[in-house]
Amino acid sequence: GNSVTQMEGPVTLSEEAFLTINCTYTATGYPSLFWYVQYPGEGLQLLLKATKADDKGSNKGFEATYRKETTSFHLEKGSVQVSDSAVYFCALSEQGGSEKLVFGKGTKLTVNP
Amino acid sequence: DTAVSQTPKYLVTQMGNDKSIKCEQNLGHDTMYWYKQDSKKFLKIMFSYNNKELIINETVPNRFSPKSPDKAHLNLHINSLELGDSAVYFCASSLLAGDNEQFFGPGTRLTVL
Repeated sequence: GNSVTQMEGPVTLSEEAFLTINCTYTATGYPSLFWYVQYPGEGLQLLLKATKADDKGSNKGFEATYRKETTSFHLEKGSVQVSDSAVYFCALSEQGGSEKLVFGKGTKLTVNP
Repeated sequence: DTAVSQTPKYLVTQMGNDKSIKCEQNLGHDTMYWYKQDSKKFLKIMFSYNNKELIINETVPNRFSPKSPDKAHLNLHINSLELGDSAVYFCASSLLAGDNEQFFGPGTRLTVL
């Protein structure tokens, strides 16, 4: 079945450091790919998405590029802030009518001042 | 004017009890979801309803029964609660069944003693 694998956390960085959170996927067909973010005590929010190969999603300084050849969708940010501390989830959509989302296990990011 | 709201936020109960969690969205979306997030933050879909009709039903014990009185509400009833049901339950909605941008509620933390 379809699955998403993302790097184990937790990840701890200093403010202004460069962030990469790796995400790879296994899927049949051509899924859409997503990054969701969960701030402490809140529900998930869509951070960015990409719907086809070579698309780049971006939002709030975060970027991720849909790489079909490596089945990856790594999340990057050039300079993190304390307010970026959260749990980040990579996800894919299963096509075929229901468009079910399959999530990775989440990566907790802590940014220290 | 919360988009997706859930009640209660916290629920502590004894094994064997029956409990309900309510979810409402005021976004005018057609599709609603229930997710379970375990203690390791792993997020898995349980159910999805489109315009009051069940479209996704994962392998969830039949002690869990979703009910959608109208397309703005999707409640989750759980009978004969077990220790393993302890988790955070998230409700979400999306405009259409094929729309992958899902809007999440703040979650309900269920603790079964």
